[in-house]
Amino acid sequence: GESVGLHLPTLSVQEGDNSIINCAYSNSASDYFIWYKQESGKGPQFIIDIRSNMDKRQGQRVTVLLNKTVKHLSLQIAATQPGDSAVYFCAEGGGATNKLIFGTGTLLAVQP
Amino acid sequence: NAGVMQNPRHLVRRRGQEARLRCSPMKGHSHVYWYRQLPEEGLKFMVYLQKENIIDESGMPKERFSAEFPKEGPSILRIQQVVRGDSAAYFCASSPPTSGETQYFGPGTRLLVL
Repeated sequence: GESVGLHLPTLSVQEGDNSIINCAYSNSASDYFIWYKQESGKGPQFIIDIRSNMDKRQGQRVTVLLNKTVKHLSLQIAATQPGDSAVYFCAEGGGATNKLIFGTGTLLAVQP
Repeated sequence: NAGVMQNPRHLVRRRGQEARLRCSPMKGHSHVYWYRQLPEEGLKFMVYLQKENIIDESGMPKERFSAEFPKEGPSILRIQQVVRGDSAAYFCASSPPTSGETQYFGPGTRLLVL
């Protein structure tokens, strides 16, 4: 069946360092991928997305990389700040009904 | 611009009671999605609706659960005869008609079944 999984459940980084959160997906037919940030007690917050016809997309302090050959997605956060501490989810979509399939999440802990 | 709104934010029910969760999409959005999140897990798709139509309910349990998105008013997720296993956070997301995949989420409703 379809699944999206994360390599690392917890990532601890020092403030100011760069963070890399990884994600593997299994459905090669997926053509749309999104990263969400979820803080405790809140709903997922859209960070950045990428379509399968791209390898890289940059936002403000964030970059998403897509490697379709090995079905791997990553989120890079530059100069990580304490406010970046949260659980990060990757999700895949692009099916006929737009439903998103989420991974289990990676907890990013930023040490001051 | 107001984001996706959900109410109530917290809901406590006893086993056998009914739970009604409401979702108002962002202004201009006509697509609504419901997801369920168990503790320490990712979100699981339940149902996708457009105004007055259920497009995909493949993730919704066949019994006790129903959803609607009427022409006027919020989308409603209804759970009848709740059981303890229904305790979870229920999130609603909405998207504009021109970009179906970009879904924006509400703050969620935390349902606790005693």
